[in-house]
Amino acid sequence: AQSVTQPDIHITVSEGASLELRCNYSYGATPYLFWYVQSPGQGLQLLLKYFSGDTLVQGIKGFEAEFKRSQSSFNLRKPSVHWSDAAEYFCAVGARGSTLGRLYFGRGTQLTVWP
Amino acid sequence: NAGVTQTPKFQVLKTGQSMTLQCAQDMNHNSMYWYRQDPGMGLRLIYYSASEGTTDKGEVPNGYNVSRLNKREFSLRLESAAPSQTSVYFCASNEGGNYGYTFGSGTRLTVV
Repeated sequence: AQSVTQPDIHITVSEGASLELRCNYSYGATPYLFWYVQSPGQGLQLLLKYFSGDTLVQGIKGFEAEFKRSQSSFNLRKPSVHWSDAAEYFCAVGARGSTLGRLYFGRGTQLTVWP
Repeated sequence: NAGVTQTPKFQVLKTGQSMTLQCAQDMNHNSMYWYRQDPGMGLRLIYYSASEGTTDKGEVPNGYNVSRLNKREFSLRLESAAPSQTSVYFCASNEGGNYGYTFGSGTRLTVV
């Protein structure tokens, strides 16, 4: 069975500081991997996704994530956080070859940005 | 470019009342999903539909029913609302094959 763990429930950083949000997954093979962001009162927006190839993936809003097979991780990073990045972030995993395309989500990491 | 449209955005129900949450997508996607989001619990799958005419239970289906009316529409019904169903409900769709979801903006439901 697939599962996703986001170890940090809440992270606080200062504006301009670097950010890393952790994501670990459990899956028998290399899955498809996603990061979504949810601003307060909004739906979820896709930040980036990994299907295959280069393990460093670039996304929107200056975010990137690195797939590390040996660690079963897909951590999200940003070099310099902006106040507008305050939101909740969800990591998700999907099975390769699935005709349904169901995703399994972590419980989310709430990001607070101090001015 | 509407994407996934959910109605209503907000709703307050009394315990025991019924209601239907509507979801429609205009991207010709095959698969549609209903999730609930609760603090600290992330997103939990209620029901999903792999294609028109098929529906299946997810992790937390009790107290809910769904209808895949056609390829565009996937509705979620609460027959007898309970306070435990107070939550934010999201509809999502994808074309299958795990290329990611498109989410609706959510329905915030309060049951008193």
